[in-house]
Amino acid sequence: QQQVKQSPQSLIVQKGGISIINCAYENTAFDYFPWYQQFPGKGPALLIAIRPDVSEKKEGRFTISFNKSAKQFSLHIMDSQPGDSATYFCAACAHISSGSARQLTFGSGTQLTVLP
Amino acid sequence: EAGVTQFPSHSVIEKGQTVTLRCDPISGHDNLYWYRRVMGKEIKFLLHFVKESKQDESGMPNNRFLAERTGGTYSTLKVQPAELEDSGVYFCASSQDFTGTSTDTQYFGPGTRLTVL
Repeated sequence: QQQVKQSPQSLIVQKGGISIINCAYENTAFDYFPWYQQFPGKGPALLIAIRPDVSEKKEGRFTISFNKSAKQFSLHIMDSQPGDSATYFCAACAHISSGSARQLTFGSGTQLTVLP
Repeated sequence: EAGVTQFPSHSVIEKGQTVTLRCDPISGHDNLYWYRRVMGKEIKFLLHFVKESKQDESGMPNNRFLAERTGGTYSTLKVQPAELEDSGVYFCASSQDFTGTSTDTQYFGPGTRLTVL
């Protein structure tokens, strides 16, 4: 059972366009939602993250929108650039005092291609 | 500051053989995680060390997988004997755990691509 569902699987956007990647989760214990960016041959790197007490977080061209009631969150990349071409993973994490504390639960990834 | 390093970057072995993957976390990071991504699917949690202790190994697929973290520094993940379904990319991550909250940033290594033939 996949706890974080991510879509689309792949996305092609023209340079300057807006890239939107969506994720939905089931576990209401999740309290931290990071997005990771992965380039070929590299490991995932934290891009931006949000906690459920806010509905939006913006860092430069990257924005997370969070809908707690719908249990959905999305990544928006404004003015997409060819250098943004990478695989993007949404993730979720629950702070539990013991046992499975802080493991990340990932979505299946979105391969983003930004055309020049 | 050096990031998380993993060795080897690629490994191709035959079914039934043994493979050992190594991870060196960022110096001073108490938390070390192993994850695996199988062929285009999600990255899945395997286990979590706090220093040398296993905090959570609920994601380990079966007893063919053995993880150790010597002296709370580097970690190894041994697969013995390897099966076809073990193929995938194995990631290691580490975090500093100042606050003990879920927002500790996990820094990932480049991964080891394991192919079992």
